Amino acid sequence: NAGVMQNPRHLVRRRGQEARLRCSPMKGHSHVYWYRQLPEEGLKFMVYLQKENIIDESGMPKERFSAEFPKEGPSILRIQQVVRGDSAAYFCASSPGGTGESYEQYFGPGTRLTVT
Amino acid sequence: DQQVKQNSPSLSVQEGRISILNCDYTNSMFDYFLWYKKYPAEGPTFLISISSIKDKNEDGRFTVFLNKSAKHLSLHIVPSQPGDSAVYFCAASAFTDSWGKLQFGAGTQVVVTP
Repeated sequence: NAGVMQNPRHLVRRRGQEARLRCSPMKGHSHVYWYRQLPEEGLKFMVYLQKENIIDESGMPKERFSAEFPKEGPSILRIQQVVRGDSAAYFCASSPGGTGESYEQYFGPGTRLTVT
Repeated sequence: DQQVKQNSPSLSVQEGRISILNCDYTNSMFDYFLWYKKYPAEGPTFLISISSIKDKNEDGRFTVFLNKSAKHLSLHIVPSQPGDSAVYFCAASAFTDSWGKLQFGAGTQVVVTP
């Protein structure tokens, strides 16, 4: 867990504000994934990125949510005009890519977003 | 559409005994399965995985069994220790569905009692 860095750990936003969540993958990992966990539920896939590319965003809400993984710097999950239903724990994971062990994703500690 | 199901929300087991966690799936395209452990306010920690070409994988106290015909897998923890008290998630992935997209079950809360 310590290898994947997420910040901030806790984020409080008022309705209508923007939330930016950051994720730095483990060293040597080029694949980043974002998941969301609502209270009392399992993790739900949101988006899968490689450097400068979105591979699969089938789990992302069509509006207000976007993600990027630039050539330099962390991956960013951006939520515009937040609503109370966006309150959740957002987890980032990374993997080295390739085959076989690429399925093994290593998670960060999460960002707990609270919308007031 | 819940493709990975953990039907037991909780499990209580005595220290030293075996913990058996179960997971069922509906998507026959899944070809890789993983188990994660999660403590409160932390991210999931990878435990063990298994490819669909195998039926068993063992790592220390953890063994995962896969029954493809029944679309069922289980995690055995022997012996159970107090530090094993956590929520355990089963996850699955399909090579044909962007490798990295893990589908998680709802989790099983394990409590190991002295």
